[in-house]
Amino acid sequence: SAVISQKPSRDICQRGTSLTIQCQVDSQVTMMFWYRQQPGQSLTLIATANQGSEATYESGFVIDKFPISRPNLTFSTLTVSNMSPEDSSIYLCSVERAGESTDTQYFGPGTRLTVL
Amino acid sequence: SQQGEEDPQALSIQEGENATMNCSYKTSINNLQWYRQNSGRGLVHLILIRSNEREKHSGRLRVTLDTSKKSSSLLITASRAADTASYFCATDAKGSARQLTFGSGTQLTVLP
Repeated sequence: SAVISQKPSRDICQRGTSLTIQCQVDSQVTMMFWYRQQPGQSLTLIATANQGSEATYESGFVIDKFPISRPNLTFSTLTVSNMSPEDSSIYLCSVERAGESTDTQYFGPGTRLTVL
Repeated sequence: SQQGEEDPQALSIQEGENATMNCSYKTSINNLQWYRQNSGRGLVHLILIRSNEREKHSGRLRVTLDTSKKSSSLLITASRAADTASYFCATDAKGSARQLTFGSGTQLTVLP
């Protein structure tokens, strides 16, 4: 399995500000994804973080609100911009390792965001 | 639209009993995965079953997949209080480039 860390683990932010969440993996991975889990809900895919090109966003999510970077095969960031209380969620990154035949996705520990 | 629906939404059992959770999905899949989440933390991968498999075991876990009914079940045998968590199924739809679509989840409580 892959060891994935996220920073910060939690934060409380003011409305209108932005927060950048980091996802670091202990080895190179082919695919990295960002998910959102609103309180009491299941996970929803925000975007696929592509190395060397723009992220691929799912319906309902846009780059201006959730800019994503992926400068290399072990690291990605998700920024939640111009936050409102509706953005209060757990944000999770997941990865699929290069060369794995099982298609298993591994998840980071999540970042719990509260927007006041 | 949400791919997976799970039932029950909540399940409470006594330690030692078996727990069964079900998941239904809507489109053709490459595989189906089950995850556990403890109290708002990250997800722990439990087991993956491919579309050409019907049953898979891992320790106290048994997963079945019926592609004709587009459904899966997760059985946890001899449950323990430490199994208390939310359980999610996630499907990797054909042609989806590996994105997962999650079910609504089952909150399992195992009483000591």
